[in-house]
Amino acid sequence: GDSVTQTEGQVALSEEDFLTIHCNYSASGYPALFWYVQYPGEGPQFLFRASRDKEKGSSRGFEATYNKETTSFHLQKASVQESDSAVYYCALGPYTGNYKYVFGAGTRLKVIA
Amino acid sequence: EAAVTQSPRSKVAVTGGKVTLSCHQTNNHDYMYWYRQDTGHGLRLIHYSYVADSTEKGDIPDGYKASRPSQENFSLILELASLSQTAVYFCASSAVGEQYFGPGTRLTVL
Repeated sequence: GDSVTQTEGQVALSEEDFLTIHCNYSASGYPALFWYVQYPGEGPQFLFRASRDKEKGSSRGFEATYNKETTSFHLQKASVQESDSAVYYCALGPYTGNYKYVFGAGTRLKVIA
Repeated sequence: EAAVTQSPRSKVAVTGGKVTLSCHQTNNHDYMYWYRQDTGHGLRLIHYSYVADSTEKGDIPDGYKASRPSQENFSLILELASLSQTAVYFCASSAVGEQYFGPGTRLTVL
């Protein structure tokens, strides 16, 4: 079946550090790819998406580029802030004949001031 | 703004008891989903629905039933709650694209 793998379970950074969270996917179709962010005590919130190869999604200084060749959608941010501390989820979305979303295990980001 | 609400927000249940978790959306979305969240597993899909009066099994449906009586409402039912069903449960709705999540229900089965 379809799957999403996030390499890092936890990431600890200092403010203004560069962030990369790795996301790789496996799907039988051509899915849209998503990043969500979850703050403590809340449900996940949509961050951004990309729907086709080489498309870049971005929001709030975060960005990721859909790479069909390497089946990746890595999240990056040039300069993190303490307020970015949260859990980040990569997900693949529905495609023809499939209504389901599949989430990665999540990456907990802690940014130290 | 899109809104998904869940009730109750927290519940303690006894093993073998029946539990019903409710979800209501005002987004006019056709698709609704139930997930459970456990540390180390992320979000796992239990049941989903793309139209009222119809539900589909997700990836981990065993021990759960779902009901979609209207476009706005989607319930998750645990007929015989077990210790292993202690988790946080999230409901979500979507059109074609991103999902909108509710605030979650923390279920503890004792």
